[in-house]
Amino acid sequence: GIQVEQSPPDLILQEGANSTLRCNFSDSVNNLQWFHQNPWGQLINLFYIPSGTKQNGRLSATTVATERYSLLYISSSQTTDSGVYFCAVAGTASKLTFGTGTRLQVTL
Amino acid sequence: DTAVSQTPKYLVTQMGNDKSIKCEQNLGHDTMYWYKQDSKKFLKIMFSYNNKELIINETVPNRFSPKSPDKAHLNLHINSLELGDSAVYFCASSQFSGHLQETQYFGPGTRLLVL
Repeated sequence: GIQVEQSPPDLILQEGANSTLRCNFSDSVNNLQWFHQNPWGQLINLFYIPSGTKQNGRLSATTVATERYSLLYISSSQTTDSGVYFCAVAGTASKLTFGTGTRLQVTL
Repeated sequence: DTAVSQTPKYLVTQMGNDKSIKCEQNLGHDTMYWYKQDSKKFLKIMFSYNNKELIINETVPNRFSPKSPDKAHLNLHINSLELGDSAVYFCASSQFSGHLQETQYFGPGTRLLVL
């Protein structure tokens, strides 16, 4: 099956800082999604982005499908951005394979 | 007007018991999923149903049995619970367009603790 690696595994930022999270995958995909799991455990879909670039407020994502990676950018981070960020991909099979996540802590 | 809801949110039970978790989505999606998240936060798919038909059945003990009475509901029944079943179980739903799966929406999770 498809392998998904995320980096860094852990990240501590001061409020206001910017960050880039990376997701590498081992095979062609037709589905890539970024999720945020907040400290209360809720999983929120951030982007559906199998290719190209999207922006939503302070967050943006870029997927370069031919090079098998995706990046999630967080600008002007806030304490509410804390949690775990997951990348999930699917190839020809319909099932999403999740990465191990990047745990982000934003401090005051 | 919750999009994907699960009941119960918390479940504490003894080893050997049988329990069920219910999931409902009001998004009109045709596909629903069960995921398990372990203590290290690793998320893994267990089952998926498309229009009440099982389409994904990962390597899961047969003590776990999903049931989809209609495309808006997907329940998970677990027999003879074991300590290792303790985890958070998430339900999710999405819509298929052609052969492509669109955005998945997750429920709030059910935290199962087996004593």
